[in-house]
Amino acid sequence: DVKVTQSSRYLVKRTGEKVFLECVQDMDHENMFWYRQDPGLGLRLIYFSYDVKMKEKGDIPEGYSVSREKKERFSLILESASTNQTSMYLCASTRPTGGNEKLFFGSGTQLSVL
Amino acid sequence: GDSVTQMEGPVTLSEEAFLTINCTYTATGYPSLFWYVQYPGEGLQLLLKATKADDKGSNKGFEATYRKETTSFHLEKGSVQVSDSAVYFCALSDTGANSKLTFGKGITLSVRP
Repeated sequence: DVKVTQSSRYLVKRTGEKVFLECVQDMDHENMFWYRQDPGLGLRLIYFSYDVKMKEKGDIPEGYSVSREKKERFSLILESASTNQTSMYLCASTRPTGGNEKLFFGSGTQLSVL
Repeated sequence: GDSVTQMEGPVTLSEEAFLTINCTYTATGYPSLFWYVQYPGEGLQLLLKATKADDKGSNKGFEATYRKETTSFHLEKGSVQVSDSAVYFCALSDTGANSKLTFGKGITLSVRP
C-alpha cells in the first residue's frame, strides 16, 4: 500500500526552539507539499517542491523553510518556533501530471508550541 | 489568484437524509476540481474529481458535477450514513505541469443515527 509517512503524530515544543517535521513517501513522486490546517481556515500551502533540492514558496512561507535532499523526503523547518505556529501540519505528494492526479496525504503532525 | 469558497458549517444530519455541500470557485483557465474527505484522526483522501466542464465525479454514493457556467462543484449524496461523518474539502488544481491544489476552508459533517 502506498504511503506518505510523517515522523510524529503529536509534537510539543517551546517558543524559540528549532523544529523539524519530516515526511517520507514511497511512491517515487516528484512533487511534495507542506500544508497547515487550522479550524475555520482550511488548508494553506506553506512550501512545495517539484524536484530534489528544489523548493518554492506557497501562500504562507513566513517563519518556515524546507529541505529536499532526497526525492522521497521533504522536511519542514521552523527556525524559531512561535505560538502562532501551533497547528496541524500535513504533508502530501503526487506525480507531475498537469493537475489531474490526486494528492496522497500523510496522517498529519499536531504541533503545539508553548 | 485562484480561490475556493465552501458553504459555512458545521452540518448535522440524520441518517438517510439528503446531503448537499456547496462549493464555488474562481480560477483562470480550466482547472480540475476535487472533493477530499478527512475522517477523524486521518489525513485527507480523494473522494472524487472532475477534470472538465459537465463532467460528473462519483464515489461511495457521492456525486458532484463540474458546472462552468456557475463556477460550481456542489457535493451531493442521496442518503447519508453515520460513517460519512467527516470534514469535506473542495479544491481546485491549475493545469500546469507542476500544478498545486487550492483548498476551501472545509466543512464538518456529523450524521446522527
